[in-house]
Amino acid sequence: SQQGEEDPQALSIQEGENATMNCSYKTSINNLQWYRQNSGRGLVHLILIRSNEREKHSGRLRVTLDTSKKSSSLLITASRAADTASYFCATDGLLRDDKIIFGKGTRLHILP
Amino acid sequence: ETGVTQTPRHLVMGMTNKKSLKCEQHLGHNAMYWYKQSAKKPLELMFVYNFKEQTENNSVPSRFSPECPNSSHLFLHLHTLQPEDSALYLCASSHPPRTGENTIYFGEGSWLTVV
Repeated sequence: SQQGEEDPQALSIQEGENATMNCSYKTSINNLQWYRQNSGRGLVHLILIRSNEREKHSGRLRVTLDTSKKSSSLLITASRAADTASYFCATDGLLRDDKIIFGKGTRLHILP
Repeated sequence: ETGVTQTPRHLVMGMTNKKSLKCEQHLGHNAMYWYKQSAKKPLELMFVYNFKEQTENNSVPSRFSPECPNSSHLFLHLHTLQPEDSALYLCASSHPPRTGENTIYFGEGSWLTVV
């Protein structure tokens, strides 16, 4: 299985600080995506990074991908209370039958 | 508003009831999905439909019965459920897999409680 696994499982930081979450996966991928989920709501797509990309930015989000280590990181800079949510990585494998697989998520709590 | 609408948002049903969850997408996608999200478990893919054809059944018990009458609508029929089936059920849609446009768009979910 190419399932991603996020680390840490939970993270609490002060508002204004940067938050970093990591994702590790097991098999080669086409791309990796990060999603966000507010409590009890659906997941919302944040950013997609392809296997031939190493870094991507979107607003206060910065995603890196290291295919040699099979890992990715999501950095949220200057965190805000509204960033409190769960964050999931999702990997899309290379095989024809591979599905997009979500990890267990990191619960991020921004303290006021 | 993600373009994927699920109803009802909340459902309480007895173990002998029959109910259905409904999902509708307005994004022009041809792939639709049902996911189950339970506390402290990874998001579980249940069913995948591509162009109305079921392409994935992830060993889901037969008490869950999906129906996809067209590319815009997806149902999950529920009957004789168990309390452990209580969870958030998420519908999602995307362009077909392997087309390079595989961002998944989720609905807000249907909270199911089986009593």
